[in-house]
Amino acid sequence: GESVGLHLPTLSVQEGDNSIINCAYSNSASDYFIWYKQESGKGPQFIIDIRSNMDKRQGQRVTVLLNKTVKHLSLQIAATQPGDSAVYFCAENSGNYGGSQGNLIFGKGTKLSVKP
Amino acid sequence: NAGVTQTPKFRVLKTGQSMTLLCAQDMNHEYMYWYRQDPGMGLRLIHYSVGEGTTAKGEVPDGYNVSRLKKQNFLLGLESAAPSQTSVYFCASSYEAGLIFGANVLTFGAGSRLTVL
Repeated sequence: GESVGLHLPTLSVQEGDNSIINCAYSNSASDYFIWYKQESGKGPQFIIDIRSNMDKRQGQRVTVLLNKTVKHLSLQIAATQPGDSAVYFCAENSGNYGGSQGNLIFGKGTKLSVKP
Repeated sequence: NAGVTQTPKFRVLKTGQSMTLLCAQDMNHEYMYWYRQDPGMGLRLIHYSVGEGTTAKGEVPDGYNVSRLKKQNFLLGLESAAPSQTSVYFCASSYEAGLIFGANVLTFGAGSRLTVL
């Protein structure tokens, strides 16, 4: 079946270093991807998104890279801060449920821990 | 604005008991969703609604029922709780039907942790 998953369940980085969180997807027809951040005890929050006709997109301290050849997505966080500690999810648009946002298929998540 | 509010935040049930989770949004959003989140797994869609009076099944609907009698509320019911329904439940809402590039259109609640013994 189609799935979105993450290579590493946990990632620990030193404050100030750059973080790279990876995601593999299996549906080559997916045309849209999102990264969410989920802090402890809270719901997921949108970070950044990318379309399949793009290779790279930058936000504030975050960059998403898309490699369609190997169906791989990554989230890069520059100068990681303690406030970045959270679980990060990638999600793809499956198109299974009509035009609603319920189309999103979420990956398992990577827990990022930032050491001071 | 409160955004998306879920009640209760925590609940412990015995197998076979019933309960209802309430989701309320004050953003006049048309679309609402219920997800469950289990350890080591991503969010999975249970049911969703594209407007008042409508509901539809998601990826894992079995054992759950939903109702959307008012636009601002989306209720998730468990008629006979089972240990397999132990999970964290998230409600979300959106104004737009589709995904809008560059925009956060899906707003999540803080979650409801349910334990079924």
